Amino acid sequence: NAGVTQTPKFQVLKTGQSMTLQCAQDMNHNSMYWYRQDPGMGLRLIYYSASEGTTDKGEVPNGYNVSRLNKREFSLRLESAAPSQTSVYFCASSEVSANEQFFGPGTRLTVL
Amino acid sequence: AQKVTQAQTEISVVEKEDVTLDCVYETRDTTYYLFWYKQPPSGELVFLIRRNSFDEQNEISGRYSWNFQKSTSSFNFTITASQVVDSAVYFCALNERRSKLTFGKGITLSVRP
Repeated sequence: NAGVTQTPKFQVLKTGQSMTLQCAQDMNHNSMYWYRQDPGMGLRLIYYSASEGTTDKGEVPNGYNVSRLNKREFSLRLESAAPSQTSVYFCASSEVSANEQFFGPGTRLTVL
Repeated sequence: AQKVTQAQTEISVVEKEDVTLDCVYETRDTTYYLFWYKQPPSGELVFLIRRNSFDEQNEISGRYSWNFQKSTSSFNFTITASQVVDSAVYFCALNERRSKLTFGKGITLSVRP
């Protein structure tokens, strides 16, 4: 089992460009999450999907959109990237929302 | 109000010392869950422990132990006889009924040989 996979691992964008971060899990988990990690800020929740077909905003949703494509996949889209979105992005999943979350390896995104 | 406070930002110890990482949380829910995660220099996040609000028993796993005290809203993590491989950022997190996990800002632990 691969657990939680994320693509790409690294990405450099110019301001205004768009991109989609992909996430997939093979643990048959119901809930999936997107976080960003910035120095000194811990992890902050961007969006989450408690179950297939539902998505909700987290703490810092502005500038992002998500799609829960199916039970396995949860993508994060930046429509018009800004330098403030330079960060490390983590996808996570859990069997149900109260259980421990398992994290992907992260995507390091730089917006110039 | 910050829901998870990790007041220590950086801790440096010499190998074999014991070290305690503090975590204080805030919630109005009676049902909640507390977690600790480790982020080694390689960057991945590793789950260490989950504790629900109804279980105040302390837990020991090898050199790791956790002390959960509802009276002080604390969930502290102790590493006994620290090793260089314990060097990492450690995050405490709180999950309330609304299903969002809130992380503290993390504690950077450096263990020197």
